[in-house]
Formats: sequence, structure tokens, C-alpha cells
Amino acid sequence: QSALTQPASVSGSPGQSITISCTGTSSDVGGSNYVSWYQQHPGKAPKLMIYDVSNRPSGVSNRFSGSKSGNTASLTISGLQAEDEADYYCCSYTSSSTLKLFGGGTKLTVL
Amino acid sequence: EVQLVESGGGLVKPGGSLRLSCAASGFTFSSYSMNWVRQAPGKGLEWVSSISSTSSYIYYADSVKGRFTISRDNAKNSLYLQMNSLRAEDTAVYYCARGVSGSYSSFDIWGQGTMVTVSS
Repeated sequence: QSALTQPASVSGSPGQSITISCTGTSSDVGGSNYVSWYQQHPGKAPKLMIYDVSNRPSGVSNRFSGSKSGNTASLTISGLQAEDEADYYCCSYTSSSTLKLFGGGTKLTVL
Repeated sequence: EVQLVESGGGLVKPGGSLRLSCAASGFTFSSYSMNWVRQAPGKGLEWVSSISSTSSYIYYADSVKGRFTISRDNAKNSLYLQMNSLRAEDTAVYYCARGVSGSYSSFDIWGQGTMVTVSS
């Protein structure tokens, strides 16, 4: 099964808002409330930012929010800061044998 | 401090075997599902395998099914991944990750990763 589709890169200026999309099918994103988002800085382990579509773990800034419409989930970062520059991955539960599917990743550049 | 520490990575020849370990501390290990997720050099994340808190439910990605075996020892607060018949495409950093209670695709605690290189 192919990875979920994310844009390869997005960029924004400090203070702006950006949205990263994650597109799948009715077998994964569209049929699941179990979509999560991860931030990964170079050479570091991923960090959970959003789980179950729109829930934020304790300690994660409220500048990060998640949503879903149809087969596409989205991560929105408001009030961009330099430290937000990282790779971002979505992940969805799937009804296929793969069970859990990641997106290809999006590199966020803060200009 | 909640922590996961992987070990056991290294260089292995194609067709060889390796056993990864993940030591958990700072939380009740036996209450959580656990997972292995890998990342090939310069590539994205790939889920590898999951095991429920009591080992009753075990799942694998199609890419490793029949070659990898996940297991855990709750008495030792440890997670394992036995990797057999290794291929070049298994070369990656392997992370162990704790599953979020009640969720099915969320991993809230990650280890630092251990590198596995499959090469002749």
C-alpha cells in the first residue's frame, strides 16, 4: 500500500499560518478517526503533535491544530516560529493489512 | 523520566539476522501497546510492527511479515524485534515507540533509535 500523500515542502514567514495536507483513501484517512501528526527535527526522533485527528498531547503548543475532511487530514501551525522548521509526517490507521500508514513527509521551511 | 532506549543495531550481511531491544523506564510498561517504526536514510517513516500490552495482538507491515518477530517481556520492561532474512532495503534507523492508550495510530514516546545496516 502506498504512503499517504503529503506535499514535499511548504514554507511560511514568522507569524504566519501554514497548513500541511495528508491525503489518503476511504480505507485509511477517510474511514478513520485515528490520524496523527509528528514533528521531526534533523537527527532527532519524531515527536507526537496531534493524535486522533485533532487532539493535542500535553505540552504541545496550541499553535498546532488538526482537522479532517473526507479523505484529507490537515495540520495547521499558526504564529510560525523558527523552531517549527522541521519535517512533518501524518499517520493513519488503515483497514488494510498494513494497519498503520505514514505519509511521505513534508519539509517545513520558516523563511 | 519516561524513556525508551533501543539497542542491538549494527552491520549485518544480506540474509543475516539481528535482534533489537528496547528498554522502557518511567512508566507502567505492561499497560501500553508498543511499536517498531523505521526510517531509511533520507527517507520517511515506516511502521513495522505492533504488539498489544499482553502480547495478545501482534501485527506486521507486509514488507516484514514472515521475516520479523516482535515480542515483549513485561517483567523486564523490554520490547524486542527479531529480524531474520535481512535485505538491503531493511537498512534504517529503528525506533521503538509507545502507543497512545485508546488510539490506533499514535505513538507518544519514542526512543532515540538504533541503526541497522544490511550490506555485504
